[in-house]
Amino acid sequence: KAGVTQTPRYLIKTRGQQVTLSCSPISGHRSVSWYQQTPGQGLQFLFEYFSETQRNKGNFPGRFSGRQFSNSRSEMNVSTLELGDSALYLCASSLVGDGNTEAFFGQGTRLTVV
Amino acid sequence: GQSLEQPSEVTAVEGAIVQINCTYQTSGFYGLSWYQQHDGGAPTFLSYNALDGLEETGRFSSFLSRSDSYGYLLLQELQMKDSASYFCAVFGTGGFKTIFGAGTRLFVKA
Repeated sequence: KAGVTQTPRYLIKTRGQQVTLSCSPISGHRSVSWYQQTPGQGLQFLFEYFSETQRNKGNFPGRFSGRQFSNSRSEMNVSTLELGDSALYLCASSLVGDGNTEAFFGQGTRLTVV
Repeated sequence: GQSLEQPSEVTAVEGAIVQINCTYQTSGFYGLSWYQQHDGGAPTFLSYNALDGLEETGRFSSFLSRSDSYGYLLLQELQMKDSASYFCAVFGTGGFKTIFGAGTRLFVKA
């Protein structure tokens, strides 16, 4: 079966701009989580969606937002980009997001803010 | 707060056994997971401990002790391809979210 697909793979943006990243989960998976990964910082939790509802949010400023569509595809948006937003953004999908089942990660979107 | 502590780097030789420890300061979580990530790749799931004790999957084993707030990943018969970053993670503390440690970089030498 097809894996988790994230688009685009690479992105270069200028400070102050906004960006939208997309994540298509594995078919049948209803939970999508987003993470920010920077060197030495591990994966920082951004938010989790299930059936179009945000169930939890990490400690990121309001410039970071997301949504999930009825087909479980999810997008995250970052407005007013800052240099510190440069990172690898990963999404993970799982059946119901209860932690008892494996989460599958996409290859990520590498965002560079200049 | 919620935090997981892992060593930043571990080096071992091919064929050896290595243990990567994870200590945590959080409560109310449902389980401890381990993920592997090769350079440029996506994290991939290795194991999940919902209960205290040892879980074995081939060359990999994972252990959890809730009373000690401690877990570890054990890799046996190390191979060069095991060189990667390994992350421990807890799910469920504070809701539907998974909190990851900063990761341990494993270098396997010939």
